[in-house]
Amino acid sequence: GAGVSQSPSNKVTEKGKDVELRCDPISGHTALYWYRQSLGQGLEFLIYFQGNSAPDKSGLPSDRFSAERTGGSVSTLTIQRTQQEDSAVYLCASSLGPRGSYEQYFGPGTRLTVT
Amino acid sequence: KNEVEQSPQNLTAQEGEFITINCSYSVGISALHWLQQHPGGGIVSLFMLSSGKKKHGRLIATINIQEKHSSLHITASHPRDSAVYICAVTGNQFYFGTGTSLTVIP
Repeated sequence: GAGVSQSPSNKVTEKGKDVELRCDPISGHTALYWYRQSLGQGLEFLIYFQGNSAPDKSGLPSDRFSAERTGGSVSTLTIQRTQQEDSAVYLCASSLGPRGSYEQYFGPGTRLTVT
Repeated sequence: KNEVEQSPQNLTAQEGEFITINCSYSVGISALHWLQQHPGGGIVSLFMLSSGKKKHGRLIATINIQEKHSSLHITASHPRDSAVYICAVTGNQFYFGTGTSLTVIP
């Protein structure tokens, strides 16, 4: 079946612009995760959605970052007033159930470049 | 202070060698994950474990909850195993190691 998909695959934007990144999880997966991988740095957790529960936003680096998940499926990560330090690969993952209990399946990522 | 420490950071091996990558963590966890990332490629989950040992083909992962330590072993290594291997833990939050870059030389 289809895996996790993300769009766009690449995004170049000017500093100060807003961007939206999209994630389509695997059908039936109730958990969805956003991560960031900056050049030369490790993975960083951003936000976690599980079913209808309130999302865990503890990893969002600033209030310029927000995410929503509509209908328990597709998720959008929005970065407002982008800064150069936002340049990174943004990865989405999904799992069949709550974190810590099920394996995560990763999307191919969106490479964001802020000029 | 890093909640997850991996060693070594870089590893070069000859094809056929037995490889071990270590991961230590300092927080309470519900699960530990081993992830693989090929150059320019996506991330694949190799293992998720909360106790004991798991085996997939030539890969073996072990975890010792009391010692807060996990190892990833690759038997009969092959050049296609060249990748970055990342240890991650799930507790109240997610924590990631900085990865081990493995190069297997033919």
